[in-house]
Amino acid sequence: DIVMTQSPLSLSVTPGEPASISCRSSQSLLDSDVGNTYVDWYLQKPGQSPQLLIYALSYRASGVPDRFSGSGSGTDFTLKISRVEAEDVGVYYCMQRIEFPLTFGGGTKVEIK
Amino acid sequence: EVQLVESGGGLVKPGGSLRLSCAASGFTFSSYTMTWVRQAPGRGLEWVSSITATSSNIFYADSVKRRFRISRDNAKNSLLLQMSSLSAEDTAVYYCHVRGVDGFDLWGRGTLVTVSS
Repeated sequence: DIVMTQSPLSLSVTPGEPASISCRSSQSLLDSDVGNTYVDWYLQKPGQSPQLLIYALSYRASGVPDRFSGSGSGTDFTLKISRVEAEDVGVYYCMQRIEFPLTFGGGTKVEIK
Repeated sequence: EVQLVESGGGLVKPGGSLRLSCAASGFTFSSYTMTWVRQAPGRGLEWVSSITATSSNIFYADSVKRRFRISRDNAKNSLLLQMSSLSAEDTAVYYCHVRGVDGFDLWGRGTLVTVSS
């Protein structure tokens, strides 16, 4: 199984400041046949279901503000929030979907200072 | 409206069984792989099982293999999860999830399964 390791475990951010979350996979998520890297990022706001932020490494899902961006390659990935807003609080998860079993990172809890 | 609505959760005794349902609407259900994801209280997300559009391929997490059975009824836009031999470790909110190309991604609100004597 592919292990997804996220860091940090938690993050306390001042509104307007940037934030960055890392995720590492135990094997490459690049499908070289199609050129896609199958890592996604989700945000689970308190009391809500997860919502997709970034898919296939760097594509923003519909309606996601452009302050969110995804980057990386192979086995190392980063979610960046350019300027954190109060509505960004919650737990962020990376997920790989290159193969079954699908696996999630352990989550990064983001709170506002 | 594009949505997934889970039902069937509740309190069940260890060793018992439960059947979860997910009603889909607003999209072409029969075209998509469907998935169950669960979240134990205060814990992270755990993939449980997926079934492809025509039920030709089915996948299970090792933790539920041989105890859970996923199925779908494309005529009724319905996804099912038959769970048996339940233990406290299966206590969780169970989410129905669909993922398509170009970022189409939809989750239900979840249904809580509590396994306790």
